[in-house]
Amino acid sequence: EAQVTQNPRYLITVTGKKLTVTCSQNMNHEYMSWYRQDPGLGLRQIYYSMNVEVTDKGDVPEGYKVSRKEKRNFPLILESPSPNQTSLYFCAVALGATYEQYFGPGTRLTVT
Amino acid sequence: GIQVEQSPPDLILQEGANSTLRCNFSDSVNNLQWFHQNPWGQLINLFYIPSGTKQNGRLSATTVATERYSLLYISSSQTTDSGVYFCASGSRLTFGEGTQLTVNP
Repeated sequence: EAQVTQNPRYLITVTGKKLTVTCSQNMNHEYMSWYRQDPGLGLRQIYYSMNVEVTDKGDVPEGYKVSRKEKRNFPLILESPSPNQTSLYFCAVALGATYEQYFGPGTRLTVT
Repeated sequence: GIQVEQSPPDLILQEGANSTLRCNFSDSVNNLQWFHQNPWGQLINLFYIPSGTKQNGRLSATTVATERYSLLYISSSQTTDSGVYFCASGSRLTFGEGTQLTVNP
């Protein structure tokens, strides 16, 4: 089973202070993605990456950036966080051609 | 895009009871997954089941792709089964709104 790690697990920050949430995997999977989970809105995809240097917008990309310089890492960058980005964030990896996805433990972000 | 609907939205059981959760999806899919989100927020993979039937202990799942639905069966429920159950579909995973399951001792 895929091992996905996220850091930090919890973060409280202030509006406008740039932050990065890291995601790494141990199995050389090509597909990685980021989701956010909000009460009443469920889980929604932010960005995804099919391979190194290949990224694309998901359903809610505004206010976020990603990079995929190496296969195992897929960081999520908030250049200027705002309170509406307070959420539970998940990184996921997909296994092979089936796109069966496995999720990291989640990062709970609060922006004040 | 794909629409995913789950029912019921909430379910309360006594320990030992059986239950069936349903997931309807709007289009033919090549990926259907069931997850359990535990009270600590972790998303646990239960099944990858684009078609057919699978069983894992007290849990089993069936997907009828031609009729665009999937069922998750939980037998002899335990308090540790409590949490939210999600189905999700598609290569980019569109999630349903989940079923909140509470199992009382």
